[in-house]
Amino acid sequence: AQKVTQAQTEISVVEKEDVTLDCVYETRDTTYYLFWYKQPPSGELVFLIRRNSFDEQNEISGRYSWNFQKSTSSFNFTITASQVVDSAVYFCALSEAIDMRFGAGTRLTVKP
Amino acid sequence: GAVVSQHPSWVICKSGTSVKIECRSLDFQATTMFWYRQFPKQSLMLMATSNEGSKATYEQGVEKDKFLINHASLTLSTLTVTSAHPEDSSFYICSARGDGQFIPLHFGNGTRLTVT
Repeated sequence: AQKVTQAQTEISVVEKEDVTLDCVYETRDTTYYLFWYKQPPSGELVFLIRRNSFDEQNEISGRYSWNFQKSTSSFNFTITASQVVDSAVYFCALSEAIDMRFGAGTRLTVKP
Repeated sequence: GAVVSQHPSWVICKSGTSVKIECRSLDFQATTMFWYRQFPKQSLMLMATSNEGSKATYEQGVEKDKFLINHASLTLSTLTVTSAHPEDSSFYICSARGDGQFIPLHFGNGTRLTVT
């Protein structure tokens, strides 16, 4: 069975600080996909990134970066120079075949 | 890009009534649709998976007679909450995947259901 663990329930930082959101996953499959989504207070899910299990290259997109480590089954997400608009709940998700399973989410609050 | 439209965005209904939520894929044919439920400050939990033209597959613990799912066309799936009760109040969100597509799954904007 697949499982996604986001151990950090809530994180609070001050604007311009860097913050890393942790994600650890469990799967028996060799082929799988990992995702990060942002859910602002309005509720919609905003897609941030997708990674397949064969691509361990880290990725940077503006202030966002992701560190995929198969050896530790982790897919961590770092926001550099955080902004108030980054405040949201962030979900890590895993897909082995058809459906997608989500972690519990991390609520990030960025204070001015 | 691919868009999934969900309607209504919010609904209030009285206990005992039924509510229908629609999920439409606007620019692709959705062979598979997924329905999730999210209680306040909790994660998204998969309720069921539906393939066009066939019966939905429900996750363990989800009552199929209470949450009726119809996926009669390649662009529309509906979730009907029958005989709704206050404990059914939640945020329901759908996602859709086209044939040959895998990722990312496209999500609707969700429906906030309040049962009074």
